[in-house]
Amino acid sequence: AQSVSQHNHHVILSEAASLELGCNYSYGGTVNLFWYVQYPGQHLQLLLKYFSGDPLVKGIKGFEAEFIKSKFSFNLRKPSVQWSDTAEYFCAENAGGTSYGKLTFGQGTILTVHP
Amino acid sequence: DAGVIQSPRHEVTEMGQEVTLRCKPISGHNSLFWYRQTMMRGLELLIYFNNNVPIDDSGMPEDRFSAKMPNASFSTLKIQPSEPRDSAVYFCASSPTGDLRYEQYFGPGTRLTVT
Repeated sequence: AQSVSQHNHHVILSEAASLELGCNYSYGGTVNLFWYVQYPGQHLQLLLKYFSGDPLVKGIKGFEAEFIKSKFSFNLRKPSVQWSDTAEYFCAENAGGTSYGKLTFGQGTILTVHP
Repeated sequence: DAGVIQSPRHEVTEMGQEVTLRCKPISGHNSLFWYRQTMMRGLELLIYFNNNVPIDDSGMPEDRFSAKMPNASFSTLKIQPSEPRDSAVYFCASSPTGDLRYEQYFGPGTRLTVT
């Protein structure tokens, strides 16, 4: 069965620090990859997604992620975090790389940014 | 747009009771997804519908769980009888199509506690 691993359960940073959240997936074939975010008291929403093409994907609010096939990774990055980035972040994959099908989510990483 | 609407937001029930969770997708969206979030298993897809038809219910844990979508604007997830291990947050999401290139829009979730 496909699985997605997010190794950091809770990350604590100060404002302006750089962020990298790890995500590894297990499926060896073509995959579509996603990062979702849930801000406190709000709904899950899409940050960015990778389907094909440039492995460096830019999303909303200054976030980006890099797909590295050889490492089965899709890490999320932001050069300088803000207090408002405090949220829970979820990595997800769609194994098989088809446009349809279900998403498999990681366990989530809670990011706390101190002002 | 009101977004995806779920009710109730919180449900506390006793073991053995029937529980019904409700979801109203965003108007015009053709796909609807039910997810369950627990500390142990993270966020997992239970079932999804396309044009009111169940497409993949492989994530439904057992026969105690059932889901229906009688029309394009309403879906239910029923647990009968409920057990303490069903305690979780249940999310409903909708999408313009089942195509994963489109964002899934999540509801606020229903927090279920079975005592």
